[in-house]
Amino acid sequence: DVKVTQSSRYLVKRTGEKVFLECVQDMDHENMFWYRQDPGLGLRLIYFSYDVKMKEKGDIPEGYSVSREKKERFSLILESASTNQTSMYLCASSSLNRYNEQFFGPGTRLTVL
Amino acid sequence: EDQVTQSPEALRLQEGESSSLNCSYTVSGLRGLFWYRQDPGKGPEFLFTLYSAGEEKEKERLKATLTKKESFLHITAPKPEDSATYLCAVQADRDDKIIFGKGTRLHILP
Repeated sequence: DVKVTQSSRYLVKRTGEKVFLECVQDMDHENMFWYRQDPGLGLRLIYFSYDVKMKEKGDIPEGYSVSREKKERFSLILESASTNQTSMYLCASSSLNRYNEQFFGPGTRLTVL
Repeated sequence: EDQVTQSPEALRLQEGESSSLNCSYTVSGLRGLFWYRQDPGKGPEFLFTLYSAGEEKEKERLKATLTKKESFLHITAPKPEDSATYLCAVQADRDDKIIFGKGTRLHILP
């Protein structure tokens, strides 16, 4: 059974803290993605990666960075968390030739106080 | 600007009452249109990809169709377990980004 796992289901942090969200996939997928999902705004792409050490900005990269040191792992970093980064964060992966058939993790609900 | 609009925002149906969800899009060159299902507290689950006008895909009680301006997700004789949010997304020819609509919340009453 294919799987994308995220390090936490719920996370509460304070303004200014550095936050790491981790995502691991076991499908040997080349592509990995980070989205945030907000009511009324839908899913928005933050960053994606199509290979180890490669990254591309999505639609809303400001305030975020990413790291992909190993194929199976893609990390999202909030350098200095702010209240407007309170959201549901979803990680996804897909294979090289099936880019749009994305497998999503269960999500991390982040609250920044 | 590329855009995806889904309607209605929410839909309540009785079990067995067939209906359709709409996804209209504007994109400069469509590479593909995708449907996902999302259950509460979970990540989206891939359902279909449609590539060209006239194409249809089916899975159990769901059938997705595509025209040059919109896609429909038809649900035939739905059951309560079909209750979920259905997301539509498009990918343009010119880049790899996928743009998601805001979804339709479907609730099937037993």
